[in-house]
Amino acid sequence: EVQVVESGGGLVKPGGSLRLSCTASGFTFRNAWMSWVRQAPGKGLEWVGRIKSKTDGGTTDYAAPVKGRFTISRDDSQNALYLQMNSLKTEDAAVYYCIGPSGATGLNAFDVWGRGTMVTVSS
Amino acid sequence: QSVLTQPPSVSGAPGQRVTISCTGSSSNIGAYDVHWYQQLPGTAPKLLIYGNRNRPSGVPDRFSGSKSGTSASLAITGLQTEDEADYYCQSYDSSLRAVVFGGGTKLTV
Repeated sequence: EVQVVESGGGLVKPGGSLRLSCTASGFTFRNAWMSWVRQAPGKGLEWVGRIKSKTDGGTTDYAAPVKGRFTISRDDSQNALYLQMNSLKTEDAAVYYCIGPSGATGLNAFDVWGRGTMVTVSS
Repeated sequence: QSVLTQPPSVSGAPGQRVTISCTGSSSNIGAYDVHWYQQLPGTAPKLLIYGNRNRPSGVPDRFSGSKSGTSASLAITGLQTEDEADYYCQSYDSSLRAVVFGGGTKLTV
């Protein structure tokens, strides 16, 4: 079964840090350009950033609101994706989804979604 | 303000046809594929259309996508109550070097 499972969400104070993890199975993770997407309560989807496959350079891109504060990394040996979030702001509060292409839909269409992990930023 | 513009809401009666538009620019829709997602209440989004007009396995052919220039559309025919959901378009923007989503459209049946 193709799936990803996120973990690591929770309550953090403004200015704090949190590391989210995502474990993938059922598809060739090392070939996938993986992304994080977030959704604030009652709001739409917002792309956070992505990491390309190591074959394609392993480089990262980030959305403007998180650039310089968030870092995406991957461990292909563990089929794992990470999101290190520093200097968290109240506006970062959201459900964070780990997403990716399983290989059947091209590089930039995401057919693999986790259930998400909730991040709350509050004092 | 989303880079891709969608109507906030659309509605239709059971059995009818509705379309949801997604308007972008030459740096996103004009140059890259558009994908559509359906998000049922309380669940994670699901890929509905990829590569402008292709349906993943299991998606009914009542759902179809198209793209022309810097705009794309999702059409749903034979509306069913279970189609009530939020729909999002998505593409890539070369100026932003970012994956971009539309603001979402709430479909009421």
